[in-house]
Amino acid sequence: DIQMTQSPSSLSASVGDRVTLTCRASQSITSYLNWFQQKPGKAPKLLIFAASSLQSGVPSRFSGSGSGTDFTLTISSLQPEDFATYYCQQTYSTPWTFGQGTKVEIK
Amino acid sequence: EVQLVQSGAEVKKPGESLKISCQGSGYRFTSYWIGWVRQMPGKGLEWMGIIYPGDSDTRYSPSFQGQVTMSADKSISTAYLQWSSLKPSDTAMYYCARLQQPKSLKGKWFDPWGQGTLVTVSS
Repeated sequence: DIQMTQSPSSLSASVGDRVTLTCRASQSITSYLNWFQQKPGKAPKLLIFAASSLQSGVPSRFSGSGSGTDFTLTISSLQPEDFATYYCQQTYSTPWTFGQGTKVEIK
Repeated sequence: EVQLVQSGAEVKKPGESLKISCQGSGYRFTSYWIGWVRQMPGKGLEWMGIIYPGDSDTRYSPSFQGQVTMSADKSISTAYLQWSSLKPSDTAMYYCARLQQPKSLKGKWFDPWGQGTLVTVSS
């Protein structure tokens, strides 16, 4: 199985901060990497697909980059509604695996 | 609007059977794979498998193979996840989601997601 490792596990940041989350795959997954946002009690929401494509309706302050084994999700200016847990997922080979999540909290 | 609506929360006893549902609307249900994802209390997301409602082809994660059964009834645009004998460790939120995999792009992703079905197994 491909292991997905996210870092950090949690972070504290202020509104307006630039935030970068990292996801590393245990082997190359080319660009088969997606990012989801999950708020407490809610279903995950797709933010970025195919490593760098912004899902329709998602604010442009979210961006994704990377290929192969190393990927990043960047929030250019953190907003109050962005405090949530973020998950990466690879769909390169089954079983499709998620990272353990990064919780973004208010400083 | 493309939408997946899941059945309501369930409380069951160990050893009981259960079937939860996920009904799609706003798109051709038979043309898209539906996936299931488990989230245990306070934990992360785990991919369980996918089913193609058009012909009921299924692919299970090895972690869930033999533990659950996925099925679909295309006449009512509904996918199902079922257990024959529940265990307390099956207590979790279960999400369904539609798989997107356009030929024009290298990638596959789940969108949209259902609202989730909470399954509680306790004696």
